[in-house]
Amino acid sequence: EAGVAQSPRYKIIEKRQSVAFWCNPISGHATLYWYQQILGQGPKLLIQFQNNGVVDDSQLPKDRFSAERLKGVDSTLKIQPAKLEDSAVYLCASSPPGLAGSDTQYFGPGTRLTVL
Amino acid sequence: QKEVEQDPGPLSVPEGAIVSLNCTYSNSAFQYFMWYRQYSRKGPELLMYTYSSGNKEDGRFTAQVDKSSKYISLFIRDSQPSDSATYLCAMSGGNFNKFYFGSGTKLNVKP
Repeated sequence: EAGVAQSPRYKIIEKRQSVAFWCNPISGHATLYWYQQILGQGPKLLIQFQNNGVVDDSQLPKDRFSAERLKGVDSTLKIQPAKLEDSAVYLCASSPPGLAGSDTQYFGPGTRLTVL
Repeated sequence: QKEVEQDPGPLSVPEGAIVSLNCTYSNSAFQYFMWYRQYSRKGPELLMYTYSSGNKEDGRFTAQVDKSSKYISLFIRDSQPSDSATYLCAMSGGNFNKFYFGSGTKLNVKP
């Protein structure tokens, strides 16, 4: 079974530029998550999708971050404009069908973003 | 107060030692408890998954949940250098509730 795919793996941009990350979850997984992991910290949930609907985006800085999941499969996360404090690893995870909280999450390798 | 507290370490032990990793939490609604292992520059990898209280064993790994004390533990027996990684605890209330992660404990197993 193929795992969660993410691209790019690394990205360096200057502040105020825009950037987009892509995620392809495990086939058949209905729930998709985007996390931000700052160095030395645990992952922080940015947004959770169930199919192509948003379940939780309470910690997404909506003035600069946006995410979509068209057709309930792939997802993109965009930052526009980027700030220095956005430097982090952006992790995508997916969960198999069932109660989202009762199922486990499978993570992709992450995209390491550096904002200069 | 954070939802989940975890000692960041680092924790350094000799090969073969028994390792104990712990997390405390404040939300009594949490029912699902997980431990993830994260190697440097990799995504977290699920190690153990437990529902409600009790113990679960998988090879050299044992997960314990004490809901009355709001305390979870991961024990690693006969630790190996390949166990050197950051260990993250995570928990959820289920029913589409989001997952909360600890900050991770960095473990170094010396040969």
